Amino acid sequence: QVQLQESGPGLVKPSETLSLTCTVSGGSVSRGSYYWTWIRQSPEKGLEWIGYIYDSGSTNYNPSLKSRITISVDMSKNQFSLKVSSVTAADTAVYYCARVVGATRIDYWGQGTRVTVSS
Amino acid sequence: AIQMTQSPSSLSASVGDRVTITCRASQGIRDDLGWYQQKPGKAPKLLIYAASSLQSGVPSRFSGSGSGRDFTLTISSLQPEDFATYYCLQDYIYPWTFGQGTKVEIK
Repeated sequence: QVQLQESGPGLVKPSETLSLTCTVSGGSVSRGSYYWTWIRQSPEKGLEWIGYIYDSGSTNYNPSLKSRITISVDMSKNQFSLKVSSVTAADTAVYYCARVVGATRIDYWGQGTRVTVSS
Repeated sequence: AIQMTQSPSSLSASVGDRVTITCRASQGIRDDLGWYQQKPGKAPKLLIYAASSLQSGVPSRFSGSGSGRDFTLTISSLQPEDFATYYCLQDYIYPWTFGQGTKVEIK
């Protein structure tokens, strides 16, 4: 059974960088069949696809966030990570990591981690 | 980005009712659409992919249909555990986009 678990600070100051890590168990991030994905959810914007990393390095980001987003993978730790730079209150959300299979559907999700941007 | 519009935004129904939720895309997306169920405090859960394919382990009372711009999620006989919020998601083109959700409440 694949499991994903987000981790990272729950509070980030405005203009700083938000950093989250997703630890995968029961499956390997190095297997090229899956897109390792970040999604966030806020009352204002609903569910928002952030981007993914695939095949050890290929990435695809939401254009609305692209200039501030970096997704990377650490195969030795079976983790992938998200960085969002220059955060504002609009980045306050629950952040989910997830696995996309067949490039078409999200079959496994982490439980989500709430991140608040505030001074 | 493709806009996904769900209707209704909320509905009240009783156990045993047939429930239908619709999702309209701002442009044609073939059958590249999924439906997800979310309960409070939990991550969304995949119900339907490719517009009409039932995800493994999902009860057969859930079904999906549609192609192009218009899609439907049907719950044939609503069960107590089905009270939740439902989202459509287009995977036709990046950025993937979600509908705003339909909250199914107890009548």
